[in-house]
Amino acid sequence: ILNVEQSPQSLHVQEGDSTNFTCSFPSSNFYALHWYRWETAKSPEALFVMTLNGDEKKKGRISATLNTKEGYSYLYIKGSQPEDSATYLCAFYNNAGNMLTFGGGTRLMVKP
Amino acid sequence: SQTIHQWPATLVQPVGSPLSLECTVEGTSNPNLYWYRQAAGRGLQLLFYSVGIGQISSEVPQNLSASRPQDRQFILSSKKLLLSDSGFYLCAWSRGASGNTIYFGEGSWLTVV
Repeated sequence: ILNVEQSPQSLHVQEGDSTNFTCSFPSSNFYALHWYRWETAKSPEALFVMTLNGDEKKKGRISATLNTKEGYSYLYIKGSQPEDSATYLCAFYNNAGNMLTFGGGTRLMVKP
Repeated sequence: SQTIHQWPATLVQPVGSPLSLECTVEGTSNPNLYWYRQAAGRGLQLLFYSVGIGQISSEVPQNLSASRPQDRQFILSSKKLLLSDSGFYLCAWSRGASGNTIYFGEGSWLTVV
């Protein structure tokens, strides 16, 4: 069983605050790291698929970094808006034939 | 474009009753198919995946089963539901098996009473 940990479990911020959260995963046999955004009453949607150490991806105000040697990825949200409120899931895929393993998610709530 | 549908959206079933959740994918062929569950307060747990018709792999032993009778159809079943089967079930698909993006269905809420 692969251990994928996300912290914090939940986060309350004010509109306009910038925030970040962490995904930790096994550093051996790395293949890919995914970030998904899951809004209430909707399906999870992919934000980023990251495969290279040192990779940084950006989509609007959201960005993510990847460190495969130490086994962590950060997701950053700049200037949080109420519509950013969602659960953010990371998922790890190794090259040993396992399927994607999801972390427990970080639930973000942005207060207007 | 590809779409994925699963049904029913919500289901309330008594303990010991059978279950059938269905999922279909359109707009692609030979997808990898998945059933995930989110139990209360936890992340997504992979239950079953399939890389082809009739090929099912189980990640977690339980009283659930899955079948893939057609290329783009994936069914989650149980003969006798337990209270612990309550949760949110998501069907999903991806291209290939090499860590590609997972695309999720709308989800099915199952409450076992």
